[in-house]
Amino acid sequence: RKEVEQDPGPFNVPEGATVAFNCTYSNSASQSFFWYRQDCRKEPKLLMSVYSSGNEDGRFTAQLNRASQYISLLIRDSKLSDSATYLCVVNKNGGYNKLIFGAGTRLAVHP
Amino acid sequence: DTEVTQTPKHLVMGMTNKKSLKCEQHMGHRAMYWYKQKAKKPPELMFVYSYEKLSINESVPSRFSPECPNSSLLNLHLHALQPEDSALYLCASSTPGSGNTIYFGEGSWLTVV
Repeated sequence: RKEVEQDPGPFNVPEGATVAFNCTYSNSASQSFFWYRQDCRKEPKLLMSVYSSGNEDGRFTAQLNRASQYISLLIRDSKLSDSATYLCVVNKNGGYNKLIFGAGTRLAVHP
Repeated sequence: DTEVTQTPKHLVMGMTNKKSLKCEQHMGHRAMYWYKQKAKKPPELMFVYSYEKLSINESVPSRFSPECPNSSLLNLHLHALQPEDSALYLCASSTPGSGNTIYFGEGSWLTVV
């Protein structure tokens, strides 16, 4: 079983749609969680950290359920510029920053 | 724009060549990383340096040799690579310790012929 699993995608949605991505992780000792965004042939960029209480940044809302080992990202009012691959990322416990990336879910927003 | 600078952006090398990838950051971060990303796959951790010492080696073949000359620089020396080593090599940095945000460079695209 992969350490971080995501929806396979791709998601093709019209502008203005709401889209949700899901992710599960296998290591219950994982300490911190993130969503990164990666554009084609570019480096990954941090979109947002994910906290147990849930957190929101504009049109983006992230949720963490530690009991279910489940992470989600909700994008409201999708824009064309949201088209990218969204990577669910888990930081394994152990004192060092050791990011484990999910395979990514590709989002394509069309007019 | 990223504050982690990688050079070269593109590199083509033969299987008998020796080359190096370079990475520089001026954010005062004392942890630096090398990741490898194949097409349509997520990044995979190769090495972690913390306070200029190698902390994690994810069982990377010895044909990849990392070096951290000082707190701002990270190199990846390449020798006798195989075509399957062709990938995007990403350098990153952060404050040491679990949970701190990691910042990636734009990457070096490596093609081994």
